[in-house]
Amino acid sequence: RKEVEQDPGPFNVPEGATVAFNCTYSNSASQSFFWYRQDCRKEPKLLMSVYSSGNEDGRFTAQLNRASQYISLLIRDSKLSDSATYLCVVHQAGTALIFGKGTTLSVSS
Amino acid sequence: EAGVAQSPRYKIIEKRQSVAFWCNPISGHATLYWYQQILGQGPKLLIQFQNNGVVDDSQLPKDRFSAERLKGVDSTLKIQPAKLEDSAVYLCASSLDRRGEQYFGPGTRLTVT
Repeated sequence: RKEVEQDPGPFNVPEGATVAFNCTYSNSASQSFFWYRQDCRKEPKLLMSVYSSGNEDGRFTAQLNRASQYISLLIRDSKLSDSATYLCVVHQAGTALIFGKGTTLSVSS
Repeated sequence: EAGVAQSPRYKIIEKRQSVAFWCNPISGHATLYWYQQILGQGPKLLIQFQNNGVVDDSQLPKDRFSAERLKGVDSTLKIQPAKLEDSAVYLCASSLDRRGEQYFGPGTRLTVT
């Protein structure tokens, strides 16, 4: 079983749609969780951290379920500029980030 | 604030040749990482430095890859000899410490023919 698994993409949605990405992780000792965004031919950039209580940043909402080892990202009112690959990332203290393969989102007008 | 710098941005070499990549982390960042990102995959850690010491190199193919961070600032990653499967983007990242947010450089895109 891969350490971090994500929904296979791509997701093709119209502007204004709501889209959800899911991710599972295998190591229950994982302590920190993130969503990174990677634009085509660019480096990954931190989108948001994920907390057990859930957290929201504008149109983006992230949720963590430690019991199920499950992470989600919800994007409301999709914009063209949201088109990118979204990487689910898991971290144990003192170690490097462990990335999923990423899910590609394409938002069309 | 200047970000993580990497050079070259692109490199094309033939298999069995050697290549080196350079990374300059954000000033003051003690932890430096090299990741390999193959097309269609997420980045995978190759090596992690804390200052000039190696913290984790368990996934570094040591028969052909080497890395150093002699003065605890800049780092170089070398591949010798290169194989076709080494074609990837090599990303350098840095963080204040081992718990801090990691910032990525623009990467070096390597093509081995």
